Amino acid sequence: GNSVTQMEGPVTLSEEAFLTINCTYTATGYPSLFWYVQYPGEGLQLLLKATKADDKGSNKGFEATYRKETTSFHLEKGSVQVSDSAVYFCALVPFSGNTPLVFGKGTRLSVIA
Amino acid sequence: NAGVTQTPKFQVLKTGQSMTLQCAQDMNHNSMYWYRQDPGMGLRLIYYSASEGTTDKGEVPNGYNVSRLNKREFSLRLESAAPSQTSVYFCASHPGANEKLFFGSGTQLSVL
Repeated sequence: GNSVTQMEGPVTLSEEAFLTINCTYTATGYPSLFWYVQYPGEGLQLLLKATKADDKGSNKGFEATYRKETTSFHLEKGSVQVSDSAVYFCALVPFSGNTPLVFGKGTRLSVIA
Repeated sequence: NAGVTQTPKFQVLKTGQSMTLQCAQDMNHNSMYWYRQDPGMGLRLIYYSASEGTTDKGEVPNGYNVSRLNKREFSLRLESAAPSQTSVYFCASHPGANEKLFFGSGTQLSVL
């Protein structure tokens, strides 16, 4: 079946530290991969996506590269800010398209000044 | 644009009571979803509707029913609420393959 595994949190970093949140997936075929972010008290919103192998999604200083050989889509940011404190979800949609997104369990990030 | 609108934002029920969570989207999306979010469990799919007139079970459908009233609206009903249904519920819609989900702001439901 399709599944997403991401590192458990919470992750606590100091401002300007480097961030990596690991995400690996299991899927048949070639899924599209997403990172969503949920700020306190809000719904999820798309952070970035990649639809094929070796694609790099990027937004707001965050990046993730679709690695088919390692079935991974790790989220990185070179210098985090307090405003990046949120819960981050890795997700995939199978190649078939109309199948719903499959989410990981989320990783809570806290950035302290 | 309103996007995805969910009501109510908060609700407290007693065990055995029933209620309907409402969701509407104004983006002409075919697909709509209901998720629940629990600590340490991420988002789990309850039901989804790939198009008007169709609904399918997700990962955790027991205790819930849904209605895709028209293309805009997708409601979630709890016929006899249980404490295990205490959660935050999110509605979402989707324009098509490889596109992002648009989420509502959530409903915090407590069942006592």
